[in-house]
Amino acid sequence: ELKVEQNPLFLSMQEGKNYTIYCNYSTTSDRLYWYRQDPGKSLESLFVLLSNGAVKQEGRLMASLDTKARLSTLHITAAVHDLSATYFCAVDMEYGNKLVFGAGTILRVKS
Amino acid sequence: GAVVSQHPSWVICKSGTSVKIECRSLDFQATTMFWYRQFPKQSLMLMATSNEGSKATYEQGVEKDKFLINHASLTLSTLTVTSAHPEDSSFYICSAWDSTLDTQYFGPGTRLTVL
Repeated sequence: ELKVEQNPLFLSMQEGKNYTIYCNYSTTSDRLYWYRQDPGKSLESLFVLLSNGAVKQEGRLMASLDTKARLSTLHITAAVHDLSATYFCAVDMEYGNKLVFGAGTILRVKS
Repeated sequence: GAVVSQHPSWVICKSGTSVKIECRSLDFQATTMFWYRQFPKQSLMLMATSNEGSKATYEQGVEKDKFLINHASLTLSTLTVTSAHPEDSSFYICSAWDSTLDTQYFGPGTRLTVL
């Protein structure tokens, strides 16, 4: 059974600081996704990582994937308040099929 | 970009009634759609996989007779919560798989409250 673990589950950080959210998964998968969810809203796709060593960046967020270590990271650079949200990683159980989600990381950026 | 819509966005119903939620892919065809449930401050849990033209595949622990799924066309899947009870109150989110872009797009969600 595929398990996806995220940590930390809650992150409070000051504006301007850097931090990393980690996502570990238990079985082989080559597809990992990062999503953002604002309160009361659905999921917004941030990144799709499809191969070992993949790195993608969008603004202050950068995601990477190490399939050998079964680890993905979401790095936040110089955080701003607008980044406050819940971030989920999700892993494909099968190609084009079911996603297993991590528990989510609640990020609060304080001014 | 690809858009997935859900209707209604929120619904309040009495215990014992049935509620239908629609999920549409607006600018692509989706042979596969997924239904998730999310309780407050929790992650998304996959309920079932909806396949166009065939029966849905339910995850372990999900009652198929209670959560009826129909995927009658390549752009529409419906989830009907039958004989709803307060414990069915949740945020229901659908997603649609776009095979041409190898990605899954999520609908805006439907908040169900059963009184």
